[in-house]
Amino acid sequence: DTGVSQDPRHKITKRGQNVTFRCDPISEHNRLYWYRQTLGQGPEFLTYFQNEAQLEKSRLLSDRFSAERPKGSFSTLEIQRTEQGDSAMYLCASSFEGASGNTIYFGEGSWLTVV
Amino acid sequence: GESVGLHLPTLSVQEGDNSIINCAYSNSASDYFIWYKQESGKGPQFIIDIRSNMDKRQGQRVTVLLNKTVKHLSLQIAATQPGDSAVYFCAENMGDDKIIFGKGTRLHILP
Repeated sequence: DTGVSQDPRHKITKRGQNVTFRCDPISEHNRLYWYRQTLGQGPEFLTYFQNEAQLEKSRLLSDRFSAERPKGSFSTLEIQRTEQGDSAMYLCASSFEGASGNTIYFGEGSWLTVV
Repeated sequence: GESVGLHLPTLSVQEGDNSIINCAYSNSASDYFIWYKQESGKGPQFIIDIRSNMDKRQGQRVTVLLNKTVKHLSLQIAATQPGDSAVYFCAENMGDDKIIFGKGTRLHILP
C-alpha cells in the first residue's frame, strides 16, 4: 500500500499522559497536513508542512500540541498532558506541491481516546 | 467560521436511484472545490474536484456541478449502490492546498 500511513490506528491513554502519532506520507509528496475530526463533524485543519518547514498552525493547535517533520518525510504529532477534550481522530494527509488544487490524500486516521 | 456548509445532514435514497448532495460556500474568491467520501472509521477518500473555471465535471458515476453565481456546489451520484453509503464532505481549497471541510451529509442507501 503506497498511500498515507498512520500509526497507531487506535490509542487509549489516561488524562495527563503524553501521546505521539506518526504519519508517513505518499513518498513523492512534499506537503503534509494534520487534521482533527470529532464525531459528527468534518475534519478541522491543524497544521501543515512543506518539506520540513511548518508553514501554518491553526488556533486549534494549543501549546500542548507539537508537530514535526524533521527530514521532510514522515511527521509526528505529539500531544502533551492530554485532556479528555483531545479525544478525536487525528488525520494526516499529503499532497505534491504545484498549482493550487493538487489533490490531498488522507490516511485512515489515528483514533485517540483520553480516559 | 466555516466558509463551506452542507444543506442537509442526512439523505436517504433508494438503491439504484440517483443521489444529489448539495453544498454552499461563502468565499467568492474560492477557486477549487473537492468532494470527499468518508466511510465509518476511515479517512476521507477523494471523489472528484472542480475548478472555478468549470461548471461541470464528470467522473465514474459521479458528477459535480458548480454554480458560482449562487455559490453552490452539488455532487450527483448515479445509480446508487450500497457501497455508496457514507458521509460526503464538500471541501474548499484555500490556497497552499489547505482544505476547509463542511460538516458533511450522511447518505443512506435503502434496499
